[in-house]
Amino acid sequence: GENVEQHPSTLSVQEGDSAVIKCTYSDSASNYFPWYKQELGKRPQLIIDIRSNVGEKKDQRIAVTLNKTAKHFSLHITETQPEDSAVYFCAENSGGSNYKLTFGKGTLLTVNP
Amino acid sequence: DSGVTQTPKHLITATGQRVTLRCSPRSGDLSVYWYQQSLDQGLQFLIHYYNGEERAKGNILERFSAQQFPDLHSELNLSSLELGDSALYFCASRNSGTYNEQFFGPGTRLTVL
Repeated sequence: GENVEQHPSTLSVQEGDSAVIKCTYSDSASNYFPWYKQELGKRPQLIIDIRSNVGEKKDQRIAVTLNKTAKHFSLHITETQPEDSAVYFCAENSGGSNYKLTFGKGTLLTVNP
Repeated sequence: DSGVTQTPKHLITATGQRVTLRCSPRSGDLSVYWYQQSLDQGLQFLIHYYNGEERAKGNILERFSAQQFPDLHSELNLSSLELGDSALYFCASRNSGTYNEQFFGPGTRLTVL
């Protein structure tokens, strides 16, 4: 069945340090893996995504890596800033052409100034 | 602003009642997805509509139903409400012309007393 495990559930780092959040999935047919950032009381917003035919993707301070064999993908944030503090969700497209998303439970990232 | 609108922002009601949540997708988006976010269950997919037709169902209770109208707005109907239905309800829309990104609305916070 569809399942996404996300670790850690909370992560506290000092400003300027790197943060890494990891997810594993079970559906070998999954082909799309987005990461969403959700600030308190706000909507989830896509920050980066990766397709199954790509191993790594970068966008400024954010990068995502995908290991299809091991069925895991990770979010890397470098040079963290206080405004990076939020809940981060990984997800997989578990619905084939329907593109419905199965989300991990989320990681509360706190960046301490 | 994602371009997806949801009304109302907040809804407080009593057990046993029925409510309707409304979502207007981004201009041109044919797909609407509904998600429920609660503290214990995280973000859970409920249902997907594409151009007026139901395409996929997730963990949606029989007391819940949805529809998408010819103007592409969607409504989520929740009936016989229970305390456990209290949650944030998000809709998201997607344009089949773009790869996969789902744009989330601001959400409706439902409180059942």
